[in-house]
Amino acid sequence: SQKIEQNSEALNIQEGKTATLTCNYTNYSPAYLQWYRQDPGRGPVFLLLIRENEKEKRKERLKVTFDTTLKQSLFHITASQPADSATYLCARPRDRWRNRDDKIIFGKGTRLHILP
Amino acid sequence: GAVVSQHPSRVICKSGTSVKIECRSLDFQATTMFWYRQFPKKSLMLMATSNEGSKATYEQGVEKDKFLINHASLTLSTLTVTSAHPEDSSFYICSASAGLAGETQYFGPGTRLLVL
Repeated sequence: SQKIEQNSEALNIQEGKTATLTCNYTNYSPAYLQWYRQDPGRGPVFLLLIRENEKEKRKERLKVTFDTTLKQSLFHITASQPADSATYLCARPRDRWRNRDDKIIFGKGTRLHILP
Repeated sequence: GAVVSQHPSRVICKSGTSVKIECRSLDFQATTMFWYRQFPKKSLMLMATSNEGSKATYEQGVEKDKFLINHASLTLSTLTVTSAHPEDSSFYICSASAGLAGETQYFGPGTRLLVL
């Protein structure tokens, strides 16, 4: 079955450093991947979407890559701040072009702690 | 843009009562709305997918008669937890999608339900 795997359940990074989170996908070649941020007791917030033909996408201090050879997306936060501490979710959105009954698949998330 | 509201944000009810949660897309028309449940420090669990004007599609293991979903318009979906029991206590989150390619989901802030 198709899987989205975020192998790191938690990650501690020193403030100011770059945080890198990993998302691997198996048994599927998604056309898109998404990254969301979720704070405790809140719904997820959409951050970035990257298409399979885009190697890299940036938004302010965020950068996402999509490597179809490694079947992997990396999510980077540069110059990390304590306010970046949250759970980050990787997701493969529904692909109804290929499968009308398709569903979004979320990874389990990585809890990122930026240490002051 | 792309704001989704949820009401109420928190509800406490007695066992046996029914609780209705509203999800609204405030500035776009949502062709599809999704309902999720999330336990503490666990990943999102999709409960059902609803398209405006049609019956919701429930995930395996989710009781249709227990969790009634009505998607009355392109901006409003409701989830009613009928005859609530303490094991229904959870964090319920809705999301809405405009159905575009890559299908970003915009999440509501969530509703914390506590059944006594």
